[in-house]
Amino acid sequence: QKEVEQDPGPLSVPEGAIVSLNCTYSNSAFQYFMWYRQYSRKGPELLMYTYSSGNKEDGRFTAQVDKSSKYISLFIRDSQPSDSATYLCAMSDLNRDDKIIFGKGTRLHILP
Amino acid sequence: GAVVSQHPSWVICKSGTSVKIECRSLDFQATTMFWYRQFPKQSLMLMATSNEGSKATYEQGVEKDKFLINHASLTLSTLTVTSAHPEDSSFYICSASPLERPVTQYFGPGTRLLVL
Repeated sequence: QKEVEQDPGPLSVPEGAIVSLNCTYSNSAFQYFMWYRQYSRKGPELLMYTYSSGNKEDGRFTAQVDKSSKYISLFIRDSQPSDSATYLCAMSDLNRDDKIIFGKGTRLHILP
Repeated sequence: GAVVSQHPSWVICKSGTSVKIECRSLDFQATTMFWYRQFPKQSLMLMATSNEGSKATYEQGVEKDKFLINHASLTLSTLTVTSAHPEDSSFYICSASPLERPVTQYFGPGTRLLVL
């Protein structure tokens, strides 16, 4: 079993819809959870950073962590064509020399 | 805040030459910098981890003599692709972890390398 599983998509949704992106993981030691957005031919951009369980909201983005289920989510409200990108989940604990484990990324297309 | 730059953004070189890529954290000091490689439509592949003033730690399968990493200061790391070959053509991305927030990585914009 891979440490982090993420559906590669592509996921296509109409503009204005709520987008739900998810990852599952197997290592219960993970405490730090992140979501990155990567546009084509660009470096990943940190969107959300969460420590331990719970929700975190930033504008149209909400990150959820459920450690009991080993499941994390990113919700995008009022999706826009500019949200079309690849979204990577990432996570780590303190025992990896600052390395983080990435999901393979979900390609998201917002249809105008 | 948390801006990471890379230079050059793209480079074309002849087979057999060496190419140096710079990675700088512009507004923070980084305990650790990372170098990744990414092929089209694939995920990031970690090549090596570097800490300021010490030797880089390479991932399995990455040739340390081919991909030379120097981490001269808390804001600068360089990757040199030595004796480049066409199969080294790829998108190279660096990232940096701030001193005050380890485990978080901020990425540079990437360097596209094409070896002819």
